Amino acid sequence: EADIYQTPRYLVIGTGKKITLECSQTMGHDKMYWYQQDPGMELHLIHYSYGVNSTEKGDLSSESTVSRIRTEHFPLTLESARPSHTSQYLCASRSMGLTQETQYFGPGTRLLVL
Amino acid sequence: AQSVTQLGSHVSVSEGALVLLRCNYSSSVPPYLFWYVQYPNQGLQLLLKYTSAATLVKGINGFEAEFKKSETSFHLTKPSAHMSDAAEYFCAVSVETGANNLFFGTGTRLTVIP
Repeated sequence: EADIYQTPRYLVIGTGKKITLECSQTMGHDKMYWYQQDPGMELHLIHYSYGVNSTEKGDLSSESTVSRIRTEHFPLTLESARPSHTSQYLCASRSMGLTQETQYFGPGTRLLVL
Repeated sequence: AQSVTQLGSHVSVSEGALVLLRCNYSSSVPPYLFWYVQYPNQGLQLLLKYTSAATLVKGINGFEAEFKKSETSFHLTKPSAHMSDAAEYFCAVSVETGANNLFFGTGTRLTVIP
């Protein structure tokens, strides 16, 4: 059973608001990821981190930002939400080992920007 | 570059019938392949993964997949569908890059007809 948590699970917010999506894991994993998932589309990597104070942009351009001040915590922030940000955001983590190490996913945050 | 193609965005089977979900990959280096399942309003859960140890991989809930290098395929099968198998299934590939992130297919929604 994976111990990775995301809050909130659902968020409806107005345009222009600042939001932070929380992601925490208790497995001591160094690598953490944020994926964006739209209906009928593949998941796309938007941010990842190798460890504390490490953040990198993923394959899909995103206006969001991330931080990694603690190993277990990898929040994603949108400074000014827009309707185009409506999507599902999935957080994942894995250990630093071999490439075939499993990524564990949180339950996701479904975001709707009005 | 690596990518995954899942043929059939929707698959319907009768309860008790064979489940076959197709996945073809493209990778310039030996890949590691994964199948994840996503139940409604939940995150992704690992079903099984191929790590080059054996071409036939057995996973949870009676699912298995066979890696066929000559066909660049990693199809997911289950001999007898159960109502609880209704979900969305994602095939993914991971290679030796810095991020070790997953590249996902667009998913296949499985419906099980009673």
